[in-house]
Formats: sequence, C-alpha cells, structure tokens
Amino acid sequence: KAGVTQTPRYLIKTRGQQVTLSCSPISGHRSVSWYQQTPGQGLQFLFEYFSETQRNKGNFPGRFSGRQFSNSRSEMNVSTLELGDSALYLCASSSGRIQETQYFGPGTRLLVL
Amino acid sequence: QKEVEQDPGPLSVPEGAIVSLNCTYSNSAFQYFMWYRQYSRKGPELLMYTYSSGNKEDGRFTAQVDKSSKYISLFIRDSQPSDSATYLCAMNNNAGNMLTFGGGTRLMVKP
Repeated sequence: KAGVTQTPRYLIKTRGQQVTLSCSPISGHRSVSWYQQTPGQGLQFLFEYFSETQRNKGNFPGRFSGRQFSNSRSEMNVSTLELGDSALYLCASSSGRIQETQYFGPGTRLLVL
Repeated sequence: QKEVEQDPGPLSVPEGAIVSLNCTYSNSAFQYFMWYRQYSRKGPELLMYTYSSGNKEDGRFTAQVDKSSKYISLFIRDSQPSDSATYLCAMNNNAGNMLTFGGGTRLMVKP
C-alpha cells in the first residue's frame, strides 16, 4: 500500500506571496491532518479534514486554510506569506475514526525569503 | 509553559545501551499516547501507541504511561546506530485527531 505523498517536496517563496501544498492520503483513508514543524515551536497542529469537512482546527491565523476533495486528497493554502511561515509542513492520514493511528508523509519544506 | 515537555537532548549513548526517553504533560484530558521517530528530512514514523496507564512492549521498544504523574517514557533496549533519530512524544484526548507533540529528543547511538 502506498504511503502518504506530499507535493512539492521543496518550495521557495517570497514574502507576500501565497502557496498551495498538496497531500494524497493512504488509499482508503478519509482523514487528513496538517501540521507545521519549526525548530522553535516544534510540531503544531493546523487542521484536520474528514469527508471534505474541517473537523478540527488549531491556533493558526486565517491566512492558513485548507480543503479536502471527494477523493480525500487535501490541499492547504497559506496567503500573504511571512518569514515566520518557513517550516516543514507535514500531512498525516488516518482512517477517519477518532484516535486511529495517523501516518505522516515526508513533508513539504517551505522557505520564505 | 508548553502542554507537553520533552528534553531536547542531544542524548548520546554507546551501541547496545538501554535508552530512556521521557515526556511530562499538564493536560489531564490526554488519554492516548504515542511515540514517533523522525529521521532527518523525513516525516515522523509511529513507533508505539498506548491508551491510558500501563506498559506496552514491541520488540526492543517499551512504552510506559503513568497518568497519575502525567509522565510517559519510551525505553529502547540494545540500541543500534540506526536508532539515531529524533524521538517525539505525542498525545491527544477524546475530542478528535489533534495531536499535541513534545519538542522531540535527538538521540545519537555511537558504534
């Protein structure tokens, strides 16, 4: 079974731009969660999508948004990029039942200049 | 103060040593506890998943949860150089799939 895939793997943007990251979950999984990982703050939860609906949301500003498609693939968007948005963005998929194991993808490394 | 505290290390041990990794937490609502391993430039990989207090063993890995002390541990027996990675504890409550992570401990196992 193929794992979680994320595209692109690396991205360089400048302040003020926007960016869209993509995540394809494990086949059959219906829940996709997004996390931001930085050296200073560690891994922080952004949001979770299940059946095309946002089910949980972390404490991030509205510039961070996401969506999920009918095939469970998910995208997250960051608008008006700031230098502090430079991070590894990780996607995790699970079956969708609460407390089920989450499997992480390799991440997208975003650098904002 | 963060909800989950973890010593960042680095922790350096010789090959074959027993490694002890720990996390403390403040939120008594946490019920599910996980340990992830993350190699450089990779996503976290689930090692252990436990519910509530007690011990769980899987090969060279043993996870312990003490809810009364709000303290969890991961023990690695017969450590190998391939165990060199960052170990992250994570936990959540019954409200959903939102994981709260510790900051991670970097482990180095020297041959």
